[in-house]
Amino acid sequence: DAGVTQSPTHLIKTRGQQVTLRCSPKSGHDTVSWYQQALGQGPQFIFQYYEEEERQRGNFPDRFSGHQFPNYSSELNVNALLLGDSALYLCASSLGSGGAYNEQFFGPGTRLTVL
Amino acid sequence: KNQVEQSPQSLIILEGKNCTLQCNYTVSPFSNLRWYKQDTGRGPVSLTIMTFSENTKSNGRYTATLDADTKQSSLHITASQLSDSASYICVVGFSGTYKYIFGTGTRLKVLA
Repeated sequence: DAGVTQSPTHLIKTRGQQVTLRCSPKSGHDTVSWYQQALGQGPQFIFQYYEEEERQRGNFPDRFSGHQFPNYSSELNVNALLLGDSALYLCASSLGSGGAYNEQFFGPGTRLTVL
Repeated sequence: KNQVEQSPQSLIILEGKNCTLQCNYTVSPFSNLRWYKQDTGRGPVSLTIMTFSENTKSNGRYTATLDADTKQSSLHITASQLSDSASYICVVGFSGTYKYIFGTGTRLKVLA
């Protein structure tokens, strides 16, 4: 049973470019959350997708957008990249109906470097 | 302001010793508190999940406590091992939402 997978593992972009990161949830999970983790910091919540819709959003600008597909996989898109967008981007999957005990399983992350 | 603060920022202990990590939060309305272990360059792995009605939860050598009145939690690690070297992150969930706030973590180094 595969856990949460993310691609690519590393990515280097230049300022102003656009990037797409991909996530496949753990088998049986229907909810995907995205987080940004700067070096030495805790993850910051970007947004959560459930039933192909954005269900909750953190304090990130509209340059950050996402999508969830019918097979529950998800993409995170970042437009007009800034140097400050350099971070580890984590995807976490869970069961949407689990309530307070909807344990999140994290993927290994995508390391994005913006030059 | 909704915040999760952890202490200490970093900690070095000898193998076999015990240690306790602290988490204070001001998140409201509170739903649940989780502790995660994160190895360098990897995604976090869940250790414990507690709601406001639970005041202790164990997972092997890890024991988490929660005092919802004082909004404090601790993670106690017993008989530490070299493999316990990692960052330990406290995460608090908002009631009625699917949003979480992560602390900045405590970096634990266990030496032989």
